[in-house]
Parts: sequence; C-alpha cells; structure tokens
Amino acid sequence: DTGVSQNPRHKITKRGQNVTFRCDPISEHNRLYWYRQTLGQGPEFLTYFQNEAQLEKSRLLSDRFSAERPKGSFSTLEIQRTEQGDSAMYLCASSLWSWDRGDNEQFFGPGTRLTVL
Amino acid sequence: TQLLEQSPQFLSIQEGENLTVYCNSSSVFSSLQWYRQEPGEGPVLLVTVVTGGEVKKLKRLTFQFGDARKDSSLHITAAQPGDTGLYLCAGASGNTGKLIFGQGTTLQVKP
Repeated sequence: DTGVSQNPRHKITKRGQNVTFRCDPISEHNRLYWYRQTLGQGPEFLTYFQNEAQLEKSRLLSDRFSAERPKGSFSTLEIQRTEQGDSAMYLCASSLWSWDRGDNEQFFGPGTRLTVL
Repeated sequence: TQLLEQSPQFLSIQEGENLTVYCNSSSVFSSLQWYRQEPGEGPVLLVTVVTGGEVKKLKRLTFQFGDARKDSSLHITAAQPGDTGLYLCAGASGNTGKLIFGQGTTLQVKP
C-alpha cells in the first residue's frame, strides 16, 4: 500500500502527559499537512511542510504543539502537557505541489484518534 | 476569514432517491475538493474541480464548481446504501494549498 500512513491509530493518555504521532506521506509528495478533526466537524488546518521546511502554522497550534519533518519525508506531531481539549482525530495529508499545478490534491491518512483522560 | 457552508448537515433518504449537497462561500478558491469519510477513518478524495463552471462525473456522482469558484454542488443519482457516509467539501487557499473544510453532510441511505 503506497498511501499515507499514520501511527498509532489510537492513543489514550492521561492529562499532562506528552504524546507523539507519526505520519508517513506518499513517497514522492513534497508537501505534508496536519489537520485536527473533532466530532461532527470538518478537519481544521494545523500546519504544513514543503519538504523539510515548516511554512505555516495555524493559531490553533499552541506552544504545546510542535511538528517536524526532519528529512522531508516522514513527520511527527508532538503535544506536550496534554489537556482534555486536545482529544480529537489528528489527520495527516500529503500532496505533490508545483507552481504549474492548479489543484494541490491532498491525500489523507487514516488518522490518529487521541483521547485525553 | 474564509468559510465554507455546507448544506444540508444531515440527510436520510431511501435507496433509489436522488440528492444534492451544497457548498457555499463568499470567498474564491483556487480549487475545491470533495471527500467522503467513514467513521474512524481519514477522508477519501472523490474529485477535484479547478475551473469555474467545471462539471465532473464519477459514476452516479456529479460535481459542479460555480462559475465564480465560490460554490460547488454534489449530486447523487439513485443513491445506494453504500453511499452512506460523511461528505466534506474543502476549498484550497492560495499558494499554501491548505484546505478550508465545510462542516460536512452526513448521508444515510436506507435499503
């Protein structure tokens, strides 16, 4: 399977603990996006990378959140000192972007469901 | 702030009926994507529309992008129980390509 993969699929943690999620994009894709989705809502943009550079962060991304894409391949999203409000589905998507493409189609992984107790 | 309003939010119909889902905004998008999502899974891309007025068909699904690239619709003909799911529209914003999602339409097709 050459799609986007995410690990773990589910994570249950206690408030105050740190958690880290991993995303492996489609191999030739240069852009990688993180989104968060709560129940009954559409996904909300958190941040994105073009190769290894983090180019934009949403105001939703507090200083407890950090994302990396060290070699321009896989990415990690870390949440420090988790709070109950962090409970959500964290989705990763990748795309092949270039100046002459008009669509920037994004392909999503299965998500990581985080529950903070 | 760019927003996408989807309607209706919930739709429950009988197998064989037709339906239309609408996605509206006051903002112009460079492209618009439609996704279908199953519970506990990530969204699966159905189609991308780029040109104003564009119409794309995917079997029984017809997608249309408004002339001004501010709105879109998804029409399903002769719905089947397998069409059940959450349908999301998402507009791509500028050079970042980040997606602005609507709230989603939950479709239930009863046999």
